[in-house]
Amino acid sequence: DAKTTQPNSMESNEEEPVHLPCNHSTISGTDYIHWYRQLPSQGPEYVIHGLTSNVNNRMASLAIAEDRKSSTLILHRATLRDAAVYYCILRDQAAGNKLTFGGGTRVLVKP
Amino acid sequence: GAGVSQSPSNKVTEKGKDVELRCDPISGHTALYWYRQSLGQGLEFLIYFQGNSAPDKSGLPSDRFSAERTGGSVSTLTIQRTQQEDSAVYLCASSFPDKEETQYFGPGTRLLVL
Repeated sequence: DAKTTQPNSMESNEEEPVHLPCNHSTISGTDYIHWYRQLPSQGPEYVIHGLTSNVNNRMASLAIAEDRKSSTLILHRATLRDAAVYYCILRDQAAGNKLTFGGGTRVLVKP
Repeated sequence: GAGVSQSPSNKVTEKGKDVELRCDPISGHTALYWYRQSLGQGLEFLIYFQGNSAPDKSGLPSDRFSAERTGGSVSTLTIQRTQQEDSAVYLCASSFPDKEETQYFGPGTRLLVL
């Protein structure tokens, strides 16, 4: 899977939006962009994914750059429960089904 | 519905002993994955099952590690002659293989080798 680059950590105030950037300059045309998060002492949890168009679901929004070399996960109103490590992962179905996790971004939410 | 379950939740063993870790995937999920997360490190892939066969074993760190899956459901990860560096959280995930496959993770088994 292609490599992604994320900031090590970000801080946010409760009920404010959080924008988590991810750079993936070597993305290929068949790579899907997946986001997972891992809350403390839990297994990772799927958040959202997309290919080219922006995506919204109940948890978050995913904004994908037109050239697909970067994307941003948006948490619209951070809660204390959103404190977690967020992983941006590229998946190419043709290259196998495993997820290759990088270091992720640790999000701290201040009350 | 029920999620992915793993047992035991915690396991303490002595160096040199064998351990077995169990994963019960979500019913109907044909794909199953094992990962591990060592203290202070990221998640690393170990092995992938599609049904009962394992087309990708590339992440198994040594021949002390093996895994099997029977009946297209339950999987067991076995570590023989455990070493202290095997201490980690072992995570299992399952998915229904479609083109945008989402993996659902269990809570993990925390293994400590003394």
